Amino acid sequence: SYVLTQPPSVSVAPGQTARITCGGNNIGSKSVHWYQQKPGQAPVLVVYDDSDRPSGIPERFSGSNSGNTATLTISRVEAGDEADYYCQVWDSSSDHFVVFGGGTKLTVL
Amino acid sequence: EVQLLESGGGLVQPGGSLRLSCAASGFTFSSYAMSWVRQAPGKGLEWVSAISGSGGSTYYADSVKGRFTISRDNSKNTLYLQMNSLRAEDTAVYYCANLPIAVAGTGWFDPWGQGTLVTVSS
Repeated sequence: SYVLTQPPSVSVAPGQTARITCGGNNIGSKSVHWYQQKPGQAPVLVVYDDSDRPSGIPERFSGSNSGNTATLTISRVEAGDEADYYCQVWDSSSDHFVVFGGGTKLTVL
Repeated sequence: EVQLLESGGGLVQPGGSLRLSCAASGFTFSSYAMSWVRQAPGKGLEWVSAISGSGGSTYYADSVKGRFTISRDNSKNTLYLQMNSLRAEDTAVYYCANLPIAVAGTGWFDPWGQGTLVTVSS
């Protein structure tokens, strides 16, 4: 089955840039979507189709995807960005048509 | 504004059944595929099932295949998840989520409902 690998945690100081990776076999050939989840809340889409932003999501959030790694980049990190972040793809060859990464806890120092 | 509101969660014994509902509003429900995603306590997201806008195509994770059934009533703008033969490992918050197109198989989940908690325990 297809596996997406994320680092369990990333820490960054306010104002700096956070990069959260999502590794998968030839993930660059797939469309990757990213979600933010704050404690006790439902996930929120922050990037879709590798690098597009839904309306209402700050330009500080951006994405890229190439080779075996997709990356969510958060520029000028704010305290309110502290959350869990998940990447997601569809993979029809998997026992799960939809695959989520294990999630990354972003801590703002 | 698109809104999704889940209901039907609760405490159920192992081997029991439960039906979840997701009431949708703010969009043309029948034009979009829908999905269920769950999250066990303190764990990550796990996709459960998806259904096309017409209801003619359904998809399941292997972990629930044969036990769960996804369906929809487009006249009531409501998505369902019938869960049978429940196990302790099915304990989770269950979210319904909207897909951007009528056919499942691609796309992102947006928005999500607030979730409903299912606890399987004796």
